[in-house]
Amino acid sequence: QVQLVESGGGLVKPGGSLRLSCAASGFTFSDYNITWIRQAPGQGLEWVSYISGSGSTIDYADSLKGRFTISRDNAKNSLYLQMNSLRSEDTAVYYCARSNFYFGMDVWGQGTTVTVSS
Amino acid sequence: EIVLTQSPGTLSLSPGERATLSCRASQSFSSTYLAWYQQKPGQAPRLLIYGASSRATGIPDRFSGSGSGTDFTLTISRLEPEDFAVYYCQQCGSSPYTFGQGTKLEIK
Repeated sequence: QVQLVESGGGLVKPGGSLRLSCAASGFTFSDYNITWIRQAPGQGLEWVSYISGSGSTIDYADSLKGRFTISRDNAKNSLYLQMNSLRSEDTAVYYCARSNFYFGMDVWGQGTTVTVSS
Repeated sequence: EIVLTQSPGTLSLSPGERATLSCRASQSFSSTYLAWYQQKPGQAPRLLIYGASSRATGIPDRFSGSGSGTDFTLTISRLEPEDFAVYYCQQCGSSPYTFGQGTKLEIK
């Protein structure tokens, strides 16, 4: 079935790095844009980053530019989020979602938890 | 940046009642780019409405969306027990693709 599965979360110290992955199945991965969204504990949803199906268009939330890098490997049906210089405020559940500007984000992963703490 | 303000923050209603949730934008954008999501505790969000008024696949017809410009509304015509959750609006018309802060729909 159509599915996204995130992995790579964990506990990291402030200033550290982490690479999240999102594995897709059940659909033609390269045909779809993918978005990362995060949710801090007890808080609302925050848009993080977006990548087009071909990988040619990328966008980030302003507060994350320079620290986070989104990428994808269509041959592996996988999406990545490289997170550097992590701060306590980056602590959140990170979701990947299949996205379309007109049709919304219709498939979501279950999320992976990132905790930044000393 | 387009700021989306949802109201009320919390809505207390009983099953069978009608729920009206508001999403107001700090600047106008095309309704084509407005979506609504439902999130239950411990779960990922689920797409309900896209293009301000189109229901996503599998969404019951008691959910409806409307609005244009800066004012958008999600209506649940008759609340079922499974509808009590947090609802978010999101715009994809202008980067950053912001979410509202959410409306919690709780059982009265």
